[in-house]
Amino acid sequence: EAGVTQSPTHLIKTRGQQATLRCSPISGHTSVYWYQQALGLGLQFLLWYDEGEERNRGNFPPRFSGRQFPNYSSELNVNALELEDSALYLCASSPGGWTGAYNEQFFGPGTRLTVL
Amino acid sequence: KQEVTQIPAALSVPEGENLVLNCSFTDSAIYNLQWFRQDPGKGLTSLLLIQSSQREQTSGRLNASLDKSSGRSTLYIAASQPGDSATYLCAVKILSNFGNEKLTFGTGTRLTIIP
Repeated sequence: EAGVTQSPTHLIKTRGQQATLRCSPISGHTSVYWYQQALGLGLQFLLWYDEGEERNRGNFPPRFSGRQFPNYSSELNVNALELEDSALYLCASSPGGWTGAYNEQFFGPGTRLTVL
Repeated sequence: KQEVTQIPAALSVPEGENLVLNCSFTDSAIYNLQWFRQDPGKGLTSLLLIQSSQREQTSGRLNASLDKSSGRSTLYIAASQPGDSATYLCAVKILSNFGNEKLTFGTGTRLTIIP
C-alpha cells in the first residue's frame, strides 16, 4: 500500500512569490494535516482538513492557506513568501471519521521550501 | 497550553546497549501519544501509538510506556544498532473541544549509536 506522497521534493522561490505544495494521503484516509518544521523551531501544526473542510488551523498568518480536493488530496499555498518560511513542510494523513481523534497519523517525506 | 519536553536533547551510546528516551507533557487530557523517528532531512516514521487508556505498546525492540497522570512517556530501545541513529520525537494529541485535533510535538532527542 502506498504511503503519503508529497510533491515537489524541493522548491526554491524568492521573497514575495507564491508556493504551492501538494499531498496525496494514504488510500482510504480522509484527514490531511500540514506541519511546518523550520530550523530551530521544531514541528508546528499548520492546518487540518477532513472531508474537504478546514477543521483546525495553527498560529500562522492567513497567507498560509490550503484546500482538500474530492479525492482527499490536499494543497498548501503560501503567498507573499518571506525568508522565514524556509522550512520542511510535512503532510500527514489519518483515517478520519468519528474515531479520527484516536487514529495514528502517517507522514509523507516532506517538501523542502527554500525562500531566497 | 500543552507543552511537550524531551530530555536529553542528544544521546550517544555504544552499539548493543539498551536505552530509554523520555517525553513529558503538561496537560494529561490527551487522546493518545505517538513516537516517531526522523532521519536527517526526511519525513517522520511512526514507531508506536499509545492510546490514553493504554499503559504500553511494543513493536520489536521498541517498547513505549505511558503514565498519563504524571504526564510522562518513555521509549525503550533494546540492543541498540547503528541503524537506530536518528532523531526521536514524541507527540501528543490533546483532548479538547472537537475541532482542535492536532499533534503537539516535543523538540526531539538526537540519538547516535556508536559502532
